[in-house]
Amino acid sequence: GDSVTQMEGPVTLSEEAFLTINCTYTATGYPSLFWYVQYPGEGLQLLLKATKADDKGSNKGFEATYRKETTSFHLEKGSVQVSDSAVYFCALSPNAGGTSYGKLTFGQGTILTVHP
Amino acid sequence: DAGITQSPRHKVTETGTPVTLRCHQTENHRYMYWYRQDPGHGLRLIHYSYGVKDTDKGEVSDGYSVSRSKTEDFLLTLESATSSQTSVYFCAISESQRAGMETQYFGPGTRLLVL
Repeated sequence: GDSVTQMEGPVTLSEEAFLTINCTYTATGYPSLFWYVQYPGEGLQLLLKATKADDKGSNKGFEATYRKETTSFHLEKGSVQVSDSAVYFCALSPNAGGTSYGKLTFGQGTILTVHP
Repeated sequence: DAGITQSPRHKVTETGTPVTLRCHQTENHRYMYWYRQDPGHGLRLIHYSYGVKDTDKGEVSDGYSVSRSKTEDFLLTLESATSSQTSVYFCAISESQRAGMETQYFGPGTRLLVL
C-alpha cells in the first residue's frame, strides 16, 4: 500500500538557517503530494501541495518539488524564523479518483524548533 | 479558515464508557474524515464519509463507529473506551477527491484521556 517516510526529527536550527526536511513516498500511479504544518495546540494547516511531476509548491517562503524519479517531495526554506517552529507532515493522496475518496496517507511528522 | 468545529475539545472518561465526538462543518463539503494523532505515528485514518449515510473504515477502525445523518455533522463513537484510545482526534473535510481539489481542512482537535 501507499506510504510516506519523513526524516526523523526533531530538527533544531538557529534563526536564518537553511531548512530541509526530507520526504519520500511509495505509491502507485501519480499521487498528489502535500506538506501540512501543525502549530502548538492547533490542527493541521495546508502549507503547500503539488499534483504532478516537476510541480513546485510554495508558500510562506517554503518550497517543495515533486520528483517522480526519486519519489521525493523534500521541504525547504532558505531562512527559518522562530515562528516556523512547528510539526511538519508530508502526505499523499492516491489521486486515483474512483474509490480513493481523497484519503490521505501521512508521514510520522518532523518537529522543528528554531532558536533566536 | 474552513468552518470546522469539534466538540468537546477536551474529555476525560473512564475505561468501558461510551464516548461520542462531534465534528460540525459549515462548508457543505462532501467528504469528512476522522483521524487520531499519536506520537511517532503521525495521523492515522479511523473512518471517513463520502456522503450522507455513506461511510467506510480507515486503517485503525477497530473499536470505533461513525454516523453521518446530515452533511454538516460527522460523529465518532467509541463504543467502550479503552486506555489505548487515549489520543488527540482530528476531523477533516474535503470538497472533492479530484486531483488538485482533494485538499483536506482540519478542525482544532479533541484531546481524549481514557483512565
